[in-house]
Amino acid sequence: QKEVEQDPGPLSVPEGAIVSLNCTYSNSAFQYFMWYRQYSRKGPELLMYTYSSGNKEDGRFTAQVDKSSKYISLFIRDSQPSDSATYLCAMSANSNYQLIWGAGTKLIIKP
Amino acid sequence: SAVISQKPSRDICQRGTSLTIQCQVDSQVTMMFWYRQQPGQSLTLIATANQGSEATYESGFVIDKFPISRPNLTFSTLTVSNMSPEDSSIYLCSVEDRDISNYGYTFGSGTRLTVV
Repeated sequence: QKEVEQDPGPLSVPEGAIVSLNCTYSNSAFQYFMWYRQYSRKGPELLMYTYSSGNKEDGRFTAQVDKSSKYISLFIRDSQPSDSATYLCAMSANSNYQLIWGAGTKLIIKP
Repeated sequence: SAVISQKPSRDICQRGTSLTIQCQVDSQVTMMFWYRQQPGQSLTLIATANQGSEATYESGFVIDKFPISRPNLTFSTLTVSNMSPEDSSIYLCSVEDRDISNYGYTFGSGTRLTVV
């Protein structure tokens, strides 16, 4: 079993829809949770960072961590075609520990 | 946040040859990280490069195959040696960037390698 599981998609939704992207994990020691966005032919860029449990909102993006279920989510409201990218989750037990990555979900927003 | 210039952006190479990938950072950083990203798979850390010491390799990666140089605090190279088609992948360098958040990483644009 992989430490971090993420559905590779693709996930295709119409413009304006609410998008939900998810990752599950097995290591209860994880405390640092990140979402990265990767456009085609580009490196990943940090989108959201959350420490421990709870929600964090930044504009149209909301990151949610449920440590009891070992489940993290990224919600995108009012999705735009420019949100079309691959979204990768990453997590770590400690700021000095290696990041463990999900495989990434390819998201397509249809105009 | 840090800006990373990674070269080449892509290359097609013959099996048995070697390719050196360069990463230049616009600020001094202690550690640089080299990743491999294969289609449909998660990012895999190859090694961590500290300036002034030998790189630390992850399980499954060896120095003879992926030699790394780190001559100063802004530059690093990764060489993919004696390439085979199985080495076809995207290679990325990354640095820890505390300007973004308490815990963020900045990546180069990647090198898309195809071995024929």
